[in-house]
Amino acid sequence: AQSVSQHNHHVILSEAASLELGCNYSYGGTVNLFWYVQYPGQHLQLLLKYFSGDPLVKGIKGFEAEFIKSKFSFNLRKPSVQWSDTAEYFCAVISNDYKLSFGAGTTVTVRA
Amino acid sequence: NAGVTQTPKFQVLKTGQSMTLQCAQDMNHEYMSWYRQDPGMGLRLIHYSVGAGITDQGEVPNGYNVSRSTTEDFPLRLLSAAPSQTSVYFCASSYSRGADEQYFGPGTRLTVT
Repeated sequence: AQSVSQHNHHVILSEAASLELGCNYSYGGTVNLFWYVQYPGQHLQLLLKYFSGDPLVKGIKGFEAEFIKSKFSFNLRKPSVQWSDTAEYFCAVISNDYKLSFGAGTTVTVRA
Repeated sequence: NAGVTQTPKFQVLKTGQSMTLQCAQDMNHEYMSWYRQDPGMGLRLIHYSVGAGITDQGEVPNGYNVSRSTTEDFPLRLLSAAPSQTSVYFCASSYSRGADEQYFGPGTRLTVT
């Protein structure tokens, strides 16, 4: 089974700061990659996904992520965060076993 | 469309009791799955189904049963509840075999005392 590592457990930022969340996975074959977000009190929503093609993918709300195959990484970035970006962020990976594996999540707190 | 619905939203059980968490989707999705979310552990896959009549185990299947008699419904049964099963449970569905965006339900918060 896949393992997915998210390097930061809790990140605290001020508004307008840049955000980068790390994600690494273990499987060496073909994978589909996702970032999901869970706002307080809500269920998970898709931020962005990578299946193939351009390794730099853009998602909703100004987020983007870069797939670096050689590093088994799929890091999430946002140039300038807002208070409303306070949430928990999950990296997820699925390979050809059809089992979606999630990282432990990173809680992001944005201070106004 | 209602999307993915789950009932109940909250449940308290005593050790040894059994119950069924309901999940339904109205998007005609083939793939459905159950996750549990625990602090610091992310979401862990319990069971999944790639279509009606087909189910398989995920990462943490012990203590849970599932069945998929229709495309729409995917109930999760706790056979004999234990405190270790205290968690938030999410049902999800996607169009194909998990390789697409997962649509999540609102979750069921279960406490086992």
